[in-house]
Amino acid sequence: DTEVTQTPKHLVMGMTNKKSLKCEQHMGHRAMYWYKQKAKKPPELMFVYSYEKLSINESVPSRFSPECPNSSLLNLHLHALQPEDSALYLCASSPTWDRGSEKLFFGSGTQLSVL
Amino acid sequence: EDKVVQSPLSLVVHEGDTVTLNCSYEVTNFRSLLWYKQEKKAPTFLFMLTSSGIEKKSGRLSSILDKKELFSILNITATQTGDSAVYLCAGVDQTGANNLFFGTGTRLTVIP
Repeated sequence: DTEVTQTPKHLVMGMTNKKSLKCEQHMGHRAMYWYKQKAKKPPELMFVYSYEKLSINESVPSRFSPECPNSSLLNLHLHALQPEDSALYLCASSPTWDRGSEKLFFGSGTQLSVL
Repeated sequence: EDKVVQSPLSLVVHEGDTVTLNCSYEVTNFRSLLWYKQEKKAPTFLFMLTSSGIEKKSGRLSSILDKKELFSILNITATQTGDSAVYLCAGVDQTGANNLFFGTGTRLTVIP
């Protein structure tokens, strides 16, 4: 199994809603990532978890709250988002975050629209 | 600030043509350069390059890195309509965080 599975595939939410994005992998990877990709732009790193601990937060607003309940799961909790947060949210994983493990496996993403 | 620039931004070719996609990078404490193909949503891995001058090849695709001139190229020979996608280049630095700095991508369209 070399897949990273993300749910839901599409999400529409209002600015007062609370929702969560989910990501799952069963490759035994110990590093997991959230990227944000706006239309016709490259993916931008949001968070990195290494061994279930938050290792990098790229100055992401607090309305995005990541969570790594175990080594296979990664969540992104959303609250009070703004319309400019509409984007494709990609989850990725890699064996570790050490040298030689730069090959990231990406999920298909959640296309988020904030109304 | 780390930067990755790809050219051209878009390219339209006919089936059977050969294309070359370019990627130049400025990455502090460079570790590696990766190429991904993004058709619809999920970027899929193509190549990881760490050493200059060593060509990596997979079927009709090949790639090479020049660490002196800070660039990489991705070649696709005998293009097919299934090669239509956005090709992303990403640099990785030595911080140990596997933070991929992506370029804006090249959108390749292959016409039958």
